[in-house]
Amino acid sequence: GESVGLHLPTLSVQEGDNSIINCAYSNSASDYFIWYKQESGKGPQFIIDIRSNMDKRQGQRVTVLLNKTVKHLSLQIAATQPGDSAVYFCAENKAGGTSYGKLTFGQGTILTVHP
Amino acid sequence: EPEVTQTPSHQVTQMGQEVILRCVPISNHLYFYWYRQILGQKVEFLVSFYNNEISEKSEIFDDQFSVERPDGSNFTLKIRSTKLEDSAMYFCASSAGEQYFGPGTRLTVT
Repeated sequence: GESVGLHLPTLSVQEGDNSIINCAYSNSASDYFIWYKQESGKGPQFIIDIRSNMDKRQGQRVTVLLNKTVKHLSLQIAATQPGDSAVYFCAENKAGGTSYGKLTFGQGTILTVHP
Repeated sequence: EPEVTQTPSHQVTQMGQEVILRCVPISNHLYFYWYRQILGQKVEFLVSFYNNEISEKSEIFDDQFSVERPDGSNFTLKIRSTKLEDSAMYFCASSAGEQYFGPGTRLTVT
């Protein structure tokens, strides 16, 4: 069936290191992907998105890479800070390429940044 | 910065009771959603709403659930007869492109 999932459930890094969080998806028809950050007791916070016509997109300290050949998505966080500690979810949009349809979330990766 | 708001932050109810969860989406957004997250699990889609009607719903969103936009600012989720397994965080989201989530309502059914 269709699914969006994560390879690693937890990731611990030292402050200042770069972090890489991975996500696999199974629906090759999906063409819009989003990364969300969820801090304890809060709702998911939009980080960055990417459409399938792109391989890479950069934001402030974050980069999302999309490999359609192996259906893999990654989030790179540069110079990770303690405030980056949270659960990170990838999500897939199934509305035929628009951003208005339902999101299917992966299980999440817990990122812990040690000072 | 505009944000989605939700009330209450925590709702405790007895099994079989009706609950209404409230959301105020971002004012210029036209697409609205409800998601839920059972403790320790992933976020799950419940329903999407556009132009005063449901555009899509999941299997979770059965006849016990309903949504309404009673006025120009609020978006509500009603659960008619709550069950223990309805205990979860319920997130409202709105969109004019990216989906922005509210802080959630923790529903505890006892």
